[in-house]
Amino acid sequence: RKEVEQDPGPFNVPEGATVAFNCTYSNSASQSFFWYRQDCRKEPKLLMSVYSSGNEDGRFTAQLNRASQYISLLIRDSKLSDSATYLCVVFRADRGSTLGRLYFGRGTQLTVWP
Amino acid sequence: NAGVTQTPKFQVLKTGQSMTLQCAQDMNHEYMSWYRQDPGMGLRLIHYSVGAGITDQGEVPNGYNVSRSTTEDFPLRLLSAAPSQTSVYFCASSYSYTGTDTQYFGPGTRLTVL
Repeated sequence: RKEVEQDPGPFNVPEGATVAFNCTYSNSASQSFFWYRQDCRKEPKLLMSVYSSGNEDGRFTAQLNRASQYISLLIRDSKLSDSATYLCVVFRADRGSTLGRLYFGRGTQLTVWP
Repeated sequence: NAGVTQTPKFQVLKTGQSMTLQCAQDMNHEYMSWYRQDPGMGLRLIHYSVGAGITDQGEVPNGYNVSRSTTEDFPLRLLSAAPSQTSVYFCASSYSYTGTDTQYFGPGTRLTVL
């Protein structure tokens, strides 16, 4: 089973729509959670971290459910500039260490049309 | 402050050739890593380094070598290129690797092996 699984997408939505992406992770020892954004043929960039209490950054809201091992990203009032691939990313430390690695989902492609 | 830089941007190799992908960061980050990204797959960790002189293998290390003689530089060497190594390669760095720091990615190197 893959460490991180995401909605297959692609999502095609009109401007102003609300869209939600889901992600699940397989290892309950995972510690930190992120959404990265990747524009076409560009490098990934951090969109936001995801906290257990849920967090919001403008039009973006991220939620984490540790019991279900589930992460979500909600985008409200979609803009053309939101068109990108959204990567669900999980950090898990090696056993007995503070060091570990990031695990990336395949990404969900979003296209916002006028 | 250039962030993370990678050279070259594009490269075509013949099977069996060797080459080095360059990566440098000017943020004094301890942690550096190399990923490859293939269509339909998430980023996969090749090698990483937690400081000068310290490197370790990631998920897909075969066919690649790394070294870290300075904090700034983390080159990736392909020993004998194979078509299966056709991919986009991203270098990343972060201040530390305890799972809370933002990963900064370079612009990527698009490698084709014929």
